[in-house]
Amino acid sequence: DAKTTQPPSMDCAEGRAANLPCNHSTISGNEYVYWYRQIHSQGPQYIIHGLKNNETNEMASLIITEDRKSSTLILPHATLRDTAVYYCIVRAENNNAGNMLTFGGGTRLMVKP
Amino acid sequence: NAGVTQTPKFRVLKTGQSMTLLCAQDMNHEYMYWYRQDPGMGLRLIHYSVGEGTTAKGEVPDGYNVSRLKKQNFLLGLESAAPSQTSVYFCASSYVFGVTNTEAFFGQGTRLTVV
Repeated sequence: DAKTTQPPSMDCAEGRAANLPCNHSTISGNEYVYWYRQIHSQGPQYIIHGLKNNETNEMASLIITEDRKSSTLILPHATLRDTAVYYCIVRAENNNAGNMLTFGGGTRLMVKP
Repeated sequence: NAGVTQTPKFRVLKTGQSMTLLCAQDMNHEYMYWYRQDPGMGLRLIHYSVGEGTTAKGEVPDGYNVSRLKKQNFLLGLESAAPSQTSVYFCASSYVFGVTNTEAFFGQGTRLTVV
């Protein structure tokens, strides 16, 4: 699976949009971009994923560049409860590989009042 | 709907002792995984299973064994615990590729301290 690069930390004001970038310049054509977050000491939680089109769900939006070498997770109205470590993961959908998730260091998002 | 349940939640072991961590999922997922997370770091894959009766090594398998005798359960064993195995252990499960929802669901973790 392709590796990803994320800033180690970011701050965001409560109520504002949080834009978390991720670089995955070596991504392959069959690899999806997944985002998970981990709120202090809890198990990681799925947020959203996409292949090449932009995606939106009740939690966030995912913007993937046309060349697929980078993406941005957008939390439209960040709250204090969104303070967490956010992981960008690139994963091939391949039954033989067991759909493993490879976690990097992630971005520690601090939402401030 | 319980999701992914890990037992126990906390444990302190002495060096050389053995123990088994239990992971149970009620979502009929084919895939199950064991990760460890050391302080300030991301999760690292220990072992995984793509179905009942099958297991495979992940990134950091040394010192651990696993078994998947039933589809809903994935056991992680430490035969002779070492202080380097002090960590938080997370279990996860997911559907196979081809099913709509392929995201992984994680348990709440087991905090293991080896003294």
